[in-house]
Amino acid sequence: ELVMTQSPATLSVSPGERVTLSCRASQSVNNNLAWYRQTPGQAPRLLIYDASTRATGVPARFSGGGSGTEFTLTISRLESEDFAVYYCQQYNDWPFAFGGGTKVEIK
Amino acid sequence: EVQLLESGGGLVQPGGSLRLSCAASGFTFSSYAMSWVRQAPGKGLEWVSSIGGSGRNTYDADSVKGRFIISRDNSKNSLFLRIYNVRVDDTAVYYCAKGGDSRAWAINWFDRWGQGTLVTVSS
Repeated sequence: ELVMTQSPATLSVSPGERVTLSCRASQSVNNNLAWYRQTPGQAPRLLIYDASTRATGVPARFSGGGSGTEFTLTISRLESEDFAVYYCQQYNDWPFAFGGGTKVEIK
Repeated sequence: EVQLLESGGGLVQPGGSLRLSCAASGFTFSSYAMSWVRQAPGKGLEWVSSIGGSGRNTYDADSVKGRFIISRDNSKNSLFLRIYNVRVDDTAVYYCAKGGDSRAWAINWFDRWGQGTLVTVSS
């Protein structure tokens, strides 16, 4: 079964900083990977799909990269709403799988 | 505007059953795959089940296979999740999620989510 691993588990950063989150798949998922942001008490929001395509309405400060087994989500300048938990999800094969999440917290 | 409204959650005893519903609006329901994703208290996201736009193709996580049944009624723009023989570890917020791909047979990313319905399994 395919396993998605996110790192680090927690990232402490200041507003305005640039941050890069990592997601690793235990086997290739090609570019079939999405990223979501979840703020406390809210449903997840789609940010990126197909590894690097921004979803409708997502600000340009979000960018995704990678393919195969290694992926990144970069936020160029953190804003207040970006302090949240981020999840990657593979949809290359069944069963679908999410990573364990990376929490981005205020330093 | 796309809206997804889940209902049917609540307190249920171990071994019991319940049916979750998701009322969809703001898009051509039959053109999109739909899914259920759950989140246990304080934990991460777990994919549960998906169904293609026609309803013919369904997929389930191993952890729920044989106990959960996903279905849809395209005439009523509704998605369902029937849960049998519930266990304590089924306690979670259950989200209804819309597929992002307009090819009805394609099941991939989730571009819209409901606010979720809480299922608590306890005696």
